[in-house]
This record gives sequence, structure tokens and C-alpha cells, in this order.
Amino acid sequence: DARVTQTPRHKVTEMGQEVTMRCQPILGHNTVFWYRQTMMQGLELLAYFRNRAPLDDSGMPKDRFSAEMPDATLATLKIQPSEPRDSAVYFCASGHYRTVNTEAFFGQGTRLTVV
Amino acid sequence: QQPVQSPQAVILREGEDAVINCSSSKALYSVHWYRQKHGEAPVFLMILLKGGEQKGHEKISASFNEKKQQSSLYLTASQLSYSGTYFCGTELKDSNYQLIWGAGTKLIIKP
Repeated sequence: DARVTQTPRHKVTEMGQEVTMRCQPILGHNTVFWYRQTMMQGLELLAYFRNRAPLDDSGMPKDRFSAEMPDATLATLKIQPSEPRDSAVYFCASGHYRTVNTEAFFGQGTRLTVV
Repeated sequence: QQPVQSPQAVILREGEDAVINCSSSKALYSVHWYRQKHGEAPVFLMILLKGGEQKGHEKISASFNEKKQQSSLYLTASQLSYSGTYFCGTELKDSNYQLIWGAGTKLIIKP
């Protein structure tokens, strides 16, 4: 049963600390998305990759957020330094792009709380 | 650029029908529909790729009016399991196929 795996599922950290979230996309998928979900802002696209290359990261605060795909089986989202306003659920999703986006499969999310 | 979903919330009795709308101010390449239950990840329902396309998934179907830049999701004879928040995601024609999500429509089904 192929699925997107995110770790950790929950993270509580103090303001100013570095946070790294990891995502293992479904094998064979060539597109990976990072989303942030809050009650106020809904589902926001932070960044996405195709064939490991970043296509768009305009949704990310550049001064503190960074996203990478060191290899096809791992995507990371890092926040340094973290702030209380970063508290949210962060979802990773993967899909296979051909001529159009197919369905995106979401991971279970990382619930981040910054105190 | 965010598509507008309406209504924001709807409460139904089991067996009733509902329509959720999604509209964009820009030309669309495709529309994606997802459902998210509380505390869970969004789950894919369907993609509509062509103007005028209609699709069905059990008692949930959708249509895409490319000219009006709108899509509608139809839930007929709703079941308790249909409860959740429904999101539409839109791909704009000039966006490098980036998906932008609506704010969601919360659907509550009562027995």
C-alpha cells in the first residue's frame, strides 16, 4: 500500500529552535508539494519540486524556511529560527506529473507547535 | 488567485443533496476536488481536465465549466461518511501547473 510518509507526526519546540520535517514521497512520483494548513489561512502552498528540482517556493518566507530534495526518496522542510506564528500542520504530498498534474497523495502531516 | 468556494459551510440531514461551487478569476487548466476529515490528510476525489467534463464517484459527481471558470461538486443522498471539509484546487493555464486551493467548504451531515 503506497503512501506518503511524514516524520515527525508531532513536534513541540521553543521559539528560535531549528525544526526539520521530512517526507518520503511515493516511489515513482516525480512531483512533491509542501503545504501549510492553519485555521486562518487554510491550505497554503509553500514549495514544490518536479524531478527533485524546485519549481516554485514563492509561498515560503525565504529568511527562515528552506526546502530541499537531497534524493528522490526524501524531501525536507526546515525552519530556522522557528517562531510561534509557524505553528500549523505541514503536509507533504506527491504525485506524478505527465502533461498535467494527476492526483496528489497527502501524507498524514506534521503538527508543529512553537512555544 | 485563490479560487472562491461557496458556501463556506452547509448542514444537511442524511439523505439530502448539496452543491459546492468553486470559481476562479483566471483561466483554468484543471480543477481538483479533495475531502478532508478532521485531523486527517486531504483525500483525492476527482480531477476535471476539460471544459464541460463531468465525473462521478459513487454519489459524488462534479462538473467543470471552462468558459465560466467554475466547477461544482454534487453530493446526492448524502451519507454520514460525507462529512468533512471539501477543497477545490485549481491549476491556472499560465501557472506551470501549480495547484492553488480554495478556503474549503465544511459539510456537516446529521442523522
